[in-house]
Amino acid sequence: GESVGLHLPTLSVQEGDNSIINCAYSNSASDYFIWYKQESGKGPQFIIDIRSNMDKRQGQRVTVLLNKTVKHLSLQIAATQPGDSAVYFCAGNPLPGNTGKLIFGQGTTLQVKP
Amino acid sequence: KAGVTQTPRYLIKTRGQQVTLSCSPISGHRSVSWYQQTPGQGLQFLFEYFSETQRNKGNFPGRFSGRQFSNSRSEMNVSTLELGDSALYLCASSSRVGVPTGELFFGEGSRLTVL
Repeated sequence: GESVGLHLPTLSVQEGDNSIINCAYSNSASDYFIWYKQESGKGPQFIIDIRSNMDKRQGQRVTVLLNKTVKHLSLQIAATQPGDSAVYFCAGNPLPGNTGKLIFGQGTTLQVKP
Repeated sequence: KAGVTQTPRYLIKTRGQQVTLSCSPISGHRSVSWYQQTPGQGLQFLFEYFSETQRNKGNFPGRFSGRQFSNSRSEMNVSTLELGDSALYLCASSSRVGVPTGELFFGEGSRLTVL
């Protein structure tokens, strides 16, 4: 079946350092992936997405890498700031042409130490 | 532009009761999805609506139902509540349909506690 999973429940980094959050997916998961950020008391917020025909995609201070060989993707956050403290979810879109159905991983809590 | 609005934000019910949650999507968004978030199961897809039609449904029992109105507002209903239904229920809207997109805009959720 479809599954998307995160590697570490918690990641603690020093302010200013780079953060790397990892995620793995199963054989039958989609070829389209998304990263979301969820702050306490709020709904998830879209960060960046990537399709399987890409290996890398960059946004503002964030980079997503996709390794289809080992079915792994990662989110890199440059110069991590206190405002980056949140739970980060990777998600896959399992159905062709689909929009609203996403399979979410369990989430990694990013703690930024001042 | 106003974001996704969910009401009520918090509610407490007892086992056996039923509950209706409401979601107003971003203006112009016609696709609405619902998710259940719990500490144990994480975020799980409930259903997706577009133009008043259910496009997709997750693996939840028939006690969970939803609908969408002509103005794109959506409601979900849970009947015969169980303790395990305690969760944060999130609604998300999207302006696109038929093209894969993860750019869902989530509301802040309705936190349901079942006693």
